[in-house]
Amino acid sequence: SQQGEEDPQALSIQEGENATMNCSYKTSINNLQWYRQNSGRGLVHLILIRSNEREKHSGRLRVTLDTSKKSSSLLITASRAADTASYFCATDSGGGADGLTFGKGTHLIIQP
Amino acid sequence: DAGVIQSPRHEVTEMGQEVTLRCKPISGHNSLFWYRQTMMRGLELLIYFNNNVPIDDSGMPEDRFSAKMPNASFSTLKIQPSEPRDSAVYFCASSTRQDSPLHFGNGTRLTVT
Repeated sequence: SQQGEEDPQALSIQEGENATMNCSYKTSINNLQWYRQNSGRGLVHLILIRSNEREKHSGRLRVTLDTSKKSSSLLITASRAADTASYFCATDSGGGADGLTFGKGTHLIIQP
Repeated sequence: DAGVIQSPRHEVTEMGQEVTLRCKPISGHNSLFWYRQTMMRGLELLIYFNNNVPIDDSGMPEDRFSAKMPNASFSTLKIQPSEPRDSAVYFCASSTRQDSPLHFGNGTRLTVT
């Protein structure tokens, strides 16, 4: 079953605008991760946020985590055409014994 | 660092044939994962290994699927016999620890006709 669910399923914005994607999950977690997938390629890890963290930054990426609402958001600022990809959130089960469970992703298109 | 290497990149086979997918994880990584990706079901975890030992294979869909990790640098996922519904992209990923970020290979696109 899907642990994380991304929203929206698809997002199209103009280059230079900010893109926000959301992820909701169902059970307690140790950490939440975001990945990017370009067409025809494997997933690439972007950022990991632990359950005791509320916000984390990496370059143009900002991730927030609200464990009370079981949700996370990924913000990409000043988007570029190269940011066009699918973005996935992934969660562990909280017990540390299972592999990561991925949502179905948000397909982001940056219009030049 | 060559990354996670998967072979073949594409595999087309007929229903009933045996298919073997191969994976070489990043050297020094102790955890290895097999995922399957389809449009309908997204990314599904099939099985993962820690230190070459299978930890959880509850995601393996049927007995037709089997996975091995004979040593720290090699793993296989075998489907025998293959069926059209097995068509998907199969990813291998490795990590330093079970809860560390995953490094994915570029996948094997399997088509069963």
